Amino acid sequence: NAGVTQTPKFRVLKTGQSMTLLCAQDMNHEYMYWYRQDPGMGLRLIHYSVGEGTTAKGEVPDGYNVSRLKKQNFLLGLESAAPSQTSVYFCASSYSSVGEQFFGPGTRLTVL
Amino acid sequence: GQQLNQSPQSMFIQEGEDVSMNCTSSSIFNTWLWYKQEPGEGPVLLIALYKAGELTSNGRLTAQFGITRKDSFLNISASIPSDVGIYFCAGPTSGTYKYIFGTGTRLKVLA
Repeated sequence: NAGVTQTPKFRVLKTGQSMTLLCAQDMNHEYMYWYRQDPGMGLRLIHYSVGEGTTAKGEVPDGYNVSRLKKQNFLLGLESAAPSQTSVYFCASSYSSVGEQFFGPGTRLTVL
Repeated sequence: GQQLNQSPQSMFIQEGEDVSMNCTSSSIFNTWLWYKQEPGEGPVLLIALYKAGELTSNGRLTAQFGITRKDSFLNISASIPSDVGIYFCAGPTSGTYKYIFGTGTRLKVLA
């Protein structure tokens, strides 16, 4: 039982490049979330999903897209990376909308 | 929008001391969660609170759901070096599936 896993762990991009971050959970959770964490700030919600095939915008969605084609996977895409997207990205999942969120280990992204 | 304010922002304490931190909001929350994040890791849930006035313990940790539903408190007794980390409060925004997180309290324990 791996919980929530994220790939890759680290990535360096040049401005304008694209990439996809993968989140996978093996707990059969309906809800999945993508957050970014910047120094001195808490976690800010980028996008979330309440079930397979659904996605919704969070607090800071601009510049990101997501897809939830399979219940266990939630993908976060950056179409044209910008230095302002340098951050640590966390994926989380939960069994209910008000229950505990289980977090992955994070992906540290640097955009030059 | 809704915001969660945590204080203090950081704390340096001696091993063995007790620690108190709090989280306040301008609006009402029906759930409060307390997470701990260690360096290089994702946050891990410590305590969940679902009722106003509720007091819940997890080992040396005790958290309380404020009566006004606009605040919550976390206490750590007899701190040890492994308590080092950032402690976040979180709560679901009203009428949505989304949680907001506080800015965190960074705890350092001096042996």
